[in-house]
Amino acid sequence: GAVVSQHPSRVICKSGTSVKIECRSLDFQATTMFWYRQFPKQSLMLMATSNEGSKATYEQGVEKDKFLINHASLTLSTLTVTSAHPEDSSFYICSARDPTTGELFFGEGSRLTVL
Amino acid sequence: GENVEQHPSTLSVQEGDSAVIKCTYSDSASNYFPWYKQELGKGPQLIIDIRSNVGEKKDQRIAVTLNKTAKHFSLHITETQPEDSAVYFCAASPHSGSARQLTFGSGTQLTVLP
Repeated sequence: GAVVSQHPSRVICKSGTSVKIECRSLDFQATTMFWYRQFPKQSLMLMATSNEGSKATYEQGVEKDKFLINHASLTLSTLTVTSAHPEDSSFYICSARDPTTGELFFGEGSRLTVL
Repeated sequence: GENVEQHPSTLSVQEGDSAVIKCTYSDSASNYFPWYKQELGKGPQLIIDIRSNVGEKKDQRIAVTLNKTAKHFSLHITETQPEDSAVYFCAASPHSGSARQLTFGSGTQLTVLP
């Protein structure tokens, strides 16, 4: 079964609204989770590193006020796309590293469509 | 920073044939090289990985080879099956499991024709 779970898998929203995506690690506690964005037929682009109990670390060019990340517990990180616009439509994927094995597990992804 | 190039971008093979995907990397400090399989509408799944102290690793029909001198590594899938059809990504990192420093290749769409 899934080790890292994302919800929702698909979401459609109107322009100007905010959307929250959840990422949960089911089998281990993850002090660090990662959020990626993937455009069609392209590779994964790391957006930010989510740190439990502290601020997220954003990659260059990623707007922190646009993509709010909260990592309030060792098993849950959330990504909120604020004031979404059609250009924010994409496939968002999270990942978490099992601290015991070091293996990186990815979520199933969340398809965001902004109308 | 690290740059990972992946070829080919698309690959079609007949069922039962072998498929080979190649990646090159630029940072000699990289020592961890995972391969991921991504099915349509899903997140990537780790299928095999190799560390720089090993030249080859095999897991059933899947094998990965690493040439540190030439800075390239390859994924080999033998006896391909239709369910192998997916996008495959290579990646490189200077530290095992350090997603912050994991650089992905551009992906290869593999199609196995029945």
